[in-house]
Amino acid sequence: ETGVTQSPTHLIKTRGQQVTLRCSSQSGHNTVSWYQQALGQGPQFIFQYYREEENGRGNFPPRFSGLQFPNYSSELNVNALELDDSALYLCASSLWEENEQFFGPGTRLTVL
Amino acid sequence: AQRVTQPEKLLSVFKGAPVELKCNYSYSGSPELFWYVQYSRQRLQLLLRHISRESIKGFTADLNKGETSFHLKKPFAQEEDSAMYYCALPPSSGAGSYQLTFGKGTKLSVIP
Repeated sequence: ETGVTQSPTHLIKTRGQQVTLRCSSQSGHNTVSWYQQALGQGPQFIFQYYREEENGRGNFPPRFSGLQFPNYSSELNVNALELDDSALYLCASSLWEENEQFFGPGTRLTVL
Repeated sequence: AQRVTQPEKLLSVFKGAPVELKCNYSYSGSPELFWYVQYSRQRLQLLLRHISRESIKGFTADLNKGETSFHLKKPFAQEEDSAMYYCALPPSSGAGSYQLTFGKGTKLSVIP
C-alpha cells in the first residue's frame, strides 16, 4: 500500500506569482482534501475533491483552486500569491464513505 | 459555527506522570471527534476517534456532551509520547469524507 505523497517538498515564490502543488492519494482512495497549516496553527480546511469535483470549501478566496484527476491525484493552485499564503500545505486522502483521512508530508511554501 | 479549542499550547509532564490534553468544542448536533498526532519529522496521523472507544498507545478520550469536551488522557506518560496533538471534528452537516476543523494543537513534552 502506497501512502500519500506530495510534491514539491519545499517551494519559494514571490508575491504575485502563481503556484501549483501536487498530491498523489493513497492507493484505493477516491477523495482528496487540502489543508493549509500556518506556523503555530492547526490545519485549516481549504477544499475537498471527490469524483473530480469540488465537494466542500473552507473560508478561502477563489484564487485558491484545485483539480482532481481520474487517477484520484490532485493539484492545488494558488494565484496572485500573498505573503500570508506562506504555510505548510497538507493533502489528505480517504474513501468517500469513511471518515479517516491519511495525510501526506506536506509542501512548505514560502512567499517573499 | 463549529469550533475546536485547545487551551494549552504547551504541556510538559514528567515521565510516568498522568497526562490530560484538553479539547473543547462547539457543535450543533451529535459530534464525532478525533485526536490526531504528529511526531517529530513525521506526518499527521489519526490517534483515535471517540466512536471506536479504543485505547491507542495507552491514550483514551471520552466525549462529554454536557461539558462539550473531548479530553485526551493517559495514566503514565512515556518519552515517546512527546509530539503535537490536534483535536478535530467534522462539519455538522453533509455526508462523505469529513472536512475537518482542527484545534490549534498542544505540544506535549515528556521530561525524562
